[in-house]
Amino acid sequence: GQQLNQSPQSMFIQEGEDVSMNCTSSSIFNTWLWYKQEPGEGPVLLIALYKAGELTSNGRLTAQFGITRKDSFLNISASIPSDVGIYFCAGVSGGSNYKLTFGKGTLLTVNP
Amino acid sequence: EAGVVQSPRYKIIEKKQPVAFWCNPISGHNTLYWYRQNLGQGPELLIRYENEEAVDDSQLPKDRFSAERLKGVDSTLKIQPAELGDSAVYLCASSFGSEAFFGQGTRLTVV
Repeated sequence: GQQLNQSPQSMFIQEGEDVSMNCTSSSIFNTWLWYKQEPGEGPVLLIALYKAGELTSNGRLTAQFGITRKDSFLNISASIPSDVGIYFCAGVSGGSNYKLTFGKGTLLTVNP
Repeated sequence: EAGVVQSPRYKIIEKKQPVAFWCNPISGHNTLYWYRQNLGQGPELLIRYENEEAVDDSQLPKDRFSAERLKGVDSTLKIQPAELGDSAVYLCASSFGSEAFFGQGTRLTVV
């Protein structure tokens, strides 16, 4: 089945630093989604990407849909303590075989 | 607009007992998903509905798990009997297109 490799597994950074995480896959996806999950909560959608090469921003977050359609990255600029959480990438394969596949997540810790 | 609503938030049961989870999706979303999330892992799909039809239940352990979405809106996921390994967070999500929105989840502990 489809597998997503998400890295890094965890990050420990200082407040104000920029963060970058990425996902790679052996399969092509039609859509990439990035979610954030805080303890005791469900994943919250941050950014959706629909076209290869697309670069989309949401505040301090920027994500890109890789040209090969097999990868995506998420950048967070000027991190703040409330950025703490687990960030998941998810790839959507469409058509009659629609499937939403998640990476294993990147745990982000921000030191004030 | 209300998001995806799940209940209960937490459930502790003894092994071999039955348990049920309920989900009310976002209004107008015809696609509903049940995911299971183990500690330190990403969500894994159990079943996907398009309206009232289960279109992907390939990952649902059918010997003990069942789900229904009778009127194409609310859904119930049941486990009977529960095993220790079923302890996890059960997430419901809904979508109208590619973007899936999640509820807060039900944390199940089987003792």
